[in-house]
Amino acid sequence: DAKTTQPPSMDCAEGRAANLPCNHSTISGNEYVYWYRQIHSQGPQYIIHGLKNNETNEMASLIITEDRKSSTLILPHATLRDTAVYYCIVRVTGTTDYGGSQGNLIFGKGTKLSVKP
Amino acid sequence: DSGVTQTPKHLITATGQRVTLRCSPRSGDLSVYWYQQSLDQGLQFLIQYYNGEERAKGNILERFSAQQFPDLHSELNLSSLELGDSALYFCASSVRPKGDTQYFGPGTRLTVL
Repeated sequence: DAKTTQPPSMDCAEGRAANLPCNHSTISGNEYVYWYRQIHSQGPQYIIHGLKNNETNEMASLIITEDRKSSTLILPHATLRDTAVYYCIVRVTGTTDYGGSQGNLIFGKGTKLSVKP
Repeated sequence: DSGVTQTPKHLITATGQRVTLRCSPRSGDLSVYWYQQSLDQGLQFLIQYYNGEERAKGNILERFSAQQFPDLHSELNLSSLELGDSALYFCASSVRPKGDTQYFGPGTRLTVL
């Protein structure tokens, strides 16, 4: 799986949009971008994933650049409960069993997002 | 609630002892993953099972072993425990062995004294 680069920490005011960037310049054509978050020692929580089109669900939006070398996770109206470490992960997704590619997630250090009142 | 359950929530034991952590995957998920999170190492993949068979191994010590039973629940056995084994242990599950979204359980916090 390709590596990602994220800022170690970010602050956001409550009620404002939180925009979390991720660089993945070596991403392959068959790799998706996944976002998870971990709220203080709880199990990592799946947020969203995408390949090349922008994606939105009830939790967040994912914007992927046209060259797919970077992406941004957007929490539209951050609350105090969104304070967490956010992990950007790139990985193969699909039914094809790619040789040498394992199914596990590779976590980096992520971005610690602090939402402040 | 991800649908993945783990027991116990907390475990305190002494060095040299052996413990068993249990994980029940989401209904319909055949693949189970174990991860360890310690303060200095971050989230590290240990081992994966798929439909009862070992599928992949990560940074798992020889003192650690796991299995997945016919009802698809999994157990992680940690033996000859050392202080450095104190960590959070997470289980995740997915339908297929590769490529699916993984959903994590709440974790077991192991403290070795």
